[in-house]
Amino acid sequence: QVQLQESGPGHVKPSETLSLTCAVSGYSINSNYYGGWIRQPPGKGLEWIGSIYHTGSTYRNPSLKSRVTMSVDTSKNQFSLKLTSVTAADTALYYCVRQGPFPYSGGSIDYWGRGTLVTVSS
Amino acid sequence: QSVVTQPPSASGTPGQNVTISCSGNRFNIGPNFVYWYQQLPGAAPKLLISRKNQRPSGVPDRFSGSKSGTSASLAISGLRSEDEAEYHCATWDDSLSGLVFGGGTKLTVL
Repeated sequence: QVQLQESGPGHVKPSETLSLTCAVSGYSINSNYYGGWIRQPPGKGLEWIGSIYHTGSTYRNPSLKSRVTMSVDTSKNQFSLKLTSVTAADTALYYCVRQGPFPYSGGSIDYWGRGTLVTVSS
Repeated sequence: QSVVTQPPSASGTPGQNVTISCSGNRFNIGPNFVYWYQQLPGAAPKLLISRKNQRPSGVPDRFSGSKSGTSASLAISGLRSEDEAEYHCATWDDSLSGLVFGGGTKLTVL
């Protein structure tokens, strides 16, 4: 069955770079889906960070665009996120997800990882 | 705050019908599909309503979505205790060129 699993450090210091990887199983990342990142600060709502296609084409949240880099490794069936210059406001549960074609079906998120909590503190 | 707004809370008693709203504008909800998610405590969100108000396999027909102008609604009929959760709406915003979520609505079953 389809599974997504986030991995990466659970703690990052302010001004440093947050790096996460999403390992995908149960389907090929080369199929007609986007891989995305969504975060949820403790006790708050969901925020879309960005999404990537297997070709490397990306969509990024305009408010985070300057700090977000995404990449895809089709040989490993995984995709990754880097968020630079983090602050305490970036503390959140980070989910990797499978999404429908962008832009108008990008809101169709049919599979979610379990999420990984990343805390930004010194 | 998000460009798409939801009431922070809603409530109902078992068996009641409840509606949760999602309000946007001519750049987001107006022209685009609206998606709804259910997030049970401690769990990842789950897709409830997909494009054109379709329900993914396994979602009970007690859940339905609708849209009118720049607002959308999620209706839950015959409320059950297991429906107690956070509900999120999402849509594409043509002006922002991004996927936007409402702030979420916490539904309490009294």
